[in-house]
Amino acid sequence: EVQLVQSGAEVKKPGESLKISCKGSGYSFTSYWIGWVRQMPGKGLEWMGIIYPGDSDTRYSPSFQGQVTISADKSISTAYLQWSSLKASDTAMYYCARPRRGSSGDAFDIWGQGAMVTVSS
Amino acid sequence: QSALTQPASVSGSPGQSITISCTGTSSDVGGYNYVSWYQQHPGKAPKLMIYDVSNRPSGVSNRFSGSKSGNTASLTISGLQAEDEADYYCSSYTSSSTLKVFGGGTKLTVL
Repeated sequence: EVQLVQSGAEVKKPGESLKISCKGSGYSFTSYWIGWVRQMPGKGLEWMGIIYPGDSDTRYSPSFQGQVTISADKSISTAYLQWSSLKASDTAMYYCARPRRGSSGDAFDIWGQGAMVTVSS
Repeated sequence: QSALTQPASVSGSPGQSITISCTGTSSDVGGYNYVSWYQQHPGKAPKLMIYDVSNRPSGVSNRFSGSKSGNTASLTISGLQAEDEADYYCSSYTSSSTLKVFGGGTKLTVL
C-alpha cells in the first residue's frame, strides 16, 4: 500500500526550532516529488513547497521562501519540513502529499495524516 | 487572498446537483489542464476527487465530474448525498514561481 506517514503533534514555544517528518512507503520514494501544505485553524489549504527526493531539487511558494526549509533523506524515504525560529502564526496542521505522477505540478493523490503544530508561550 | 476564487459556500438537497466554480487566470486555470479538486471532511486529510480538469481517480463516485471553460473550472456533484457534505478545494498548476495554487475552499451543506 502506498502511504505517507507523518510524525506526531508538536507543542512548541515561540523562537524554538522544529523539524517534522513524512515517511513514504509502498513506492519508489526517489521517483516522486513530495509536497507540503499548510492549513491554519479554520482556514483553507496553502501550498508551501515541494521536493524531489531523487536529487533534492526543491521549489518554494514565495509566501514560504525563507520561512521554512524542505529537505529529504532518500536513504530512509523521509521528507522533512523545518523551522529555525517558530512564531505563533506557524500554528497549523501541516500535510505532506505526493503527486500522482512524476511531475511537480500534478494533483496530490496520496496524503499524509497531517501533523498539528501548536506554537504558544 | 487565495490565488483561485471559489464561492465560500453552496448548498443543496439530497438528490439534487450542485456546481462549485473555481476562477483563476490564463497563468493557471486557463493556461493548463492541471486543475484538480479535493474533498475534505472535518478533521481529515484532503482527498483527491478530480485531476487534470475532468478525470476521476479510481474509487471516486461518478457523481463527481469536472470541467473547464476559459479561466474557470467547475466541479459538479450530482445526486447529492449526506456524505458529500464537506469542504471542497480546487487547485491548479501555475506558470508563476508559486508552481501550484489552491482556491480558498467551498463549504458544501447538504440540506
